[in-house]
Amino acid sequence: TQLLEQSPQFLSIQEGENLTVYCNSSSVFSSLQWYRQEPGEGPVLLVTVVTGGEVKKLKRLTFQFGDARKDSSLHITAAQPGDTGLYLCAGGRRYALNFGKGTSLLVTP
Amino acid sequence: EAEVAQSPRYKITEKSQAVAFWCDPISGHATLYWYRQILGQGPELLVQFQDESVVDDSQLPKDRFSAERLKGVDSTLKIQPAELGDSAMYLCASSFRDLGTEAFFGQGTRLTVV
Repeated sequence: TQLLEQSPQFLSIQEGENLTVYCNSSSVFSSLQWYRQEPGEGPVLLVTVVTGGEVKKLKRLTFQFGDARKDSSLHITAAQPGDTGLYLCAGGRRYALNFGKGTSLLVTP
Repeated sequence: EAEVAQSPRYKITEKSQAVAFWCDPISGHATLYWYRQILGQGPELLVQFQDESVVDDSQLPKDRFSAERLKGVDSTLKIQPAELGDSAMYLCASSFRDLGTEAFFGQGTRLTVV
């Protein structure tokens, strides 16, 4: 059973477009992280959200944690080719860190 | 900047052979994870250590996989015998706290079983 469902699974857009990817669960998490992974490399932590309703910004990336701490979204403004990668969300519960299957993003010039 | 070190980066082995991966977490991180990742999918937890103790190994195929963290610092993951279906990226991560938050990953070991 997948605790975290990410959508869409694949996304191909052109440079300059905006996009949102989602991470949903029926479980409550104490925290939620977003990672970005490039081919052949390990995931790199982008952000951690802890409080329900929390919004964090990282340059052109905006992360939001749902009020009930069951879901999250990642919005990218004016996507660039360097944003290409696999975006993973991970939910933290006591003694566990569970990952979704990821959203594979391709940004073409 | 502190990093999680993994070796080797790449490993090709024949099926039925033994293979081992090594991980050195960020200094001071009590929690250590081993994940397996199939290409294009999210990491799946194999085993989680808190210091030298196993916290969760429910998804570890114990008939062929073993993991240890004897002194609560570095860790080794072993597969014996390797099977074709074990081909994947094996990722090690560590975390300062024990509440499943903010894990930092190594570069991984890409295993190919032929």
